[in-house]
Amino acid sequence: GQQLNQSPQSMFIQEGEDVSMNCTSSSIFNTWLWYKQEPGEGPVLLIALYKAGELTSNGRLTAQFGITRKDSFLNISASIPSDVGIYFCAGRNFGNEKLTFGTGTRLTIIP
Amino acid sequence: KAGVTQTPRYLIKTRGQQVTLSCSPISGHRSVSWYQQTPGQGLQFLFEYFSETQRNKGNFPGRFSGRQFSNSRSEMNVSTLELGDSALYLCASSRSSGRTGEQYFGPGTRLTVT
Repeated sequence: GQQLNQSPQSMFIQEGEDVSMNCTSSSIFNTWLWYKQEPGEGPVLLIALYKAGELTSNGRLTAQFGITRKDSFLNISASIPSDVGIYFCAGRNFGNEKLTFGTGTRLTIIP
Repeated sequence: KAGVTQTPRYLIKTRGQQVTLSCSPISGHRSVSWYQQTPGQGLQFLFEYFSETQRNKGNFPGRFSGRQFSNSRSEMNVSTLELGDSALYLCASSRSSGRTGEQYFGPGTRLTVT
């Protein structure tokens, strides 16, 4: 099945560092969503984006809906230990509940 | 407000058996979608139900089926289990009203086929 290209695949950072990840698609989406998943749990919705160029924040998280509608970016500022997990992007089009997910970015914080 | 609940959380089955998984959406949510998550294929869309009707279907064989009840609760069934069906099965619910695409996931059912 289709998966969106997400990079980097994994990140090893120190607490307090900023994090950036991105997601690209060969087709356009009307909605971009970012989720975080921890071991043994389902994905938790972090941010939803509905308009090309939109920049939305949720605490230390900021996400952007790319102008071409084929990409999205997520930034995490001043990372803390509880940020550890796998981050997924997902694209969706209006009138269709199907989410197409990215390959995921695994974030590890080095003590 | 209670989140999406899935039962059971863990399941071990033998090849050739069938299995039924259950999902209760967030109150007021009428759309329920199912996803399969594996290390190799990631998160893949199985199907989506709205008002007891299947609206969308992913690229999975007919052994995978589902249904939705009048209270929006949903079940998915996998018949003639194969080893490759071992996965985390996730259910997500949404209001499915217009533009909003916010889907909320349950904790998943971990299915192991031996």
